[in-house]
Amino acid sequence: QVQLQQSGPGLVKPSQTLSLTCAISGDSVSSNTVAWNWIRQSPSRGLEWLGRTYYRSKWYNDYALSVKSRITINPDTSKNQFSLHLNSVTPEDTAVYYCSRDRGRAVAFDYWGQGNPVTVSS
Amino acid sequence: DILMTQTPLSSPVTLGQPASISCRSSQSLVHSDGKTYLSWLQQRPGQPPRLLIYKISDRFSGVPDRFSGSGAGTDFTLKISRVEAEDVGVYYCMQTTQFPITFGQGTRLEI
Repeated sequence: QVQLQQSGPGLVKPSQTLSLTCAISGDSVSSNTVAWNWIRQSPSRGLEWLGRTYYRSKWYNDYALSVKSRITINPDTSKNQFSLHLNSVTPEDTAVYYCSRDRGRAVAFDYWGQGNPVTVSS
Repeated sequence: DILMTQTPLSSPVTLGQPASISCRSSQSLVHSDGKTYLSWLQQRPGQPPRLLIYKISDRFSGVPDRFSGSGAGTDFTLKISRVEAEDVGVYYCMQTTQFPITFGQGTRLEI
């Protein structure tokens, strides 16, 4: 059974960096058959896919254009986890952030983390 | 980006009765491999979304058979044959045919 456990602060100041971690059990961040995603949800924007990291003989990343200049998703093989870093945040980045696994286009987001509510405020 | 539009946004239902949600995409979801990557997610109050249906009509593991999906091209439907109390929540369609992955705005199912 795959489990995703999220951690990170619930409050971030404007212009600072939002950093969250998703610890994986029951699968490997280095698996070459899945990808590891970050998705956020807010009343104003709904569900928004942010990006993913995956391993296919080497590491790859895909990012949504809306955040591409500010986002980094990094795998950590030593801890079997992956992280989200979103810099220069504004109140518009206030949302619940989720990590999730996908097994390709067909079976996307079959497992989810519990969610991290993040507020951007001074 | 592919825009996903759901109707209705809110659906009052009666226990034991059927329910139906529609989803329309701004362009065809048929991939170059010939498959259509349209999924449905359920989000119960206070929970993360949960995958229900993928590739239009395939039920994910553990999903009751009262849930079914249909459609083609740009028009898709999620049907619940007999609504149960545990089905209360918000339902989202999602396309993974083309990046970026996009979601519908959600349909709230209310008893």
